[in-house]
Amino acid sequence: GIQVEQSPPDLILQEGANSTLRCNFSDSVNNLQWFHQNPWGQLINLFYIPSGTKQNGRLSATTVATERYSLLYISSSQTTDSGVYFCAVGLLMIYNQGGKLIFGQGTELSVKP
Amino acid sequence: DVKVTQSSRYLVKRTGEKVFLECVQDMDHENMFWYRQDPGLGLRLIYFSYDVKMKEKGDIPEGYSVSREKKERFSLILESASTNQTSMYLCASLTGGFNQPQHFGDGTRLSIL
Repeated sequence: GIQVEQSPPDLILQEGANSTLRCNFSDSVNNLQWFHQNPWGQLINLFYIPSGTKQNGRLSATTVATERYSLLYISSSQTTDSGVYFCAVGLLMIYNQGGKLIFGQGTELSVKP
Repeated sequence: DVKVTQSSRYLVKRTGEKVFLECVQDMDHENMFWYRQDPGLGLRLIYFSYDVKMKEKGDIPEGYSVSREKKERFSLILESASTNQTSMYLCASLTGGFNQPQHFGDGTRLSIL
């Protein structure tokens, strides 16, 4: 099956710093997403990005599908950015109707004031 | 906006009980998923469904069953709850083409005593 590896596993930043999170995956995929899990356990979709580059405020993401990796950039980090960031990749499996997402183990980010 | 609603935020049950966790989505998505999340183990897929009355086993289906009688509702059933099923349970939905973001409910923290 598809393997998903995220790095680094943990990251501590001072408020205002920038960071890059990486997601490597082992096969071609139909779907790639980045999620943020907040301290209350809620998983929030940040980007749906199977290829290309997207930006949303201080966050941006780039996926190079041919090289099987994706990057999540956080600029001018804030304490509210703390939490776990997950990359997930997906593949249609069942008669082009269904499939599943495979999640990486996550990067735990802590932003200090 | 997609809304995925889980019936309980916190739930406490006793060993041996039959437990139902309910999930409803309002976006007519074909795919629905149940995950559990435990510290150090990330998100693990229990079951998923790509259509009404269709179900597929995920990575850890033992001790669980599911029901999808209507497109908008996906139920997770713990047939005889055990203490090792104490966990955070997360429901998600995704469109059939796998070409849009997956959305999660807020999660249910289930404790089995």
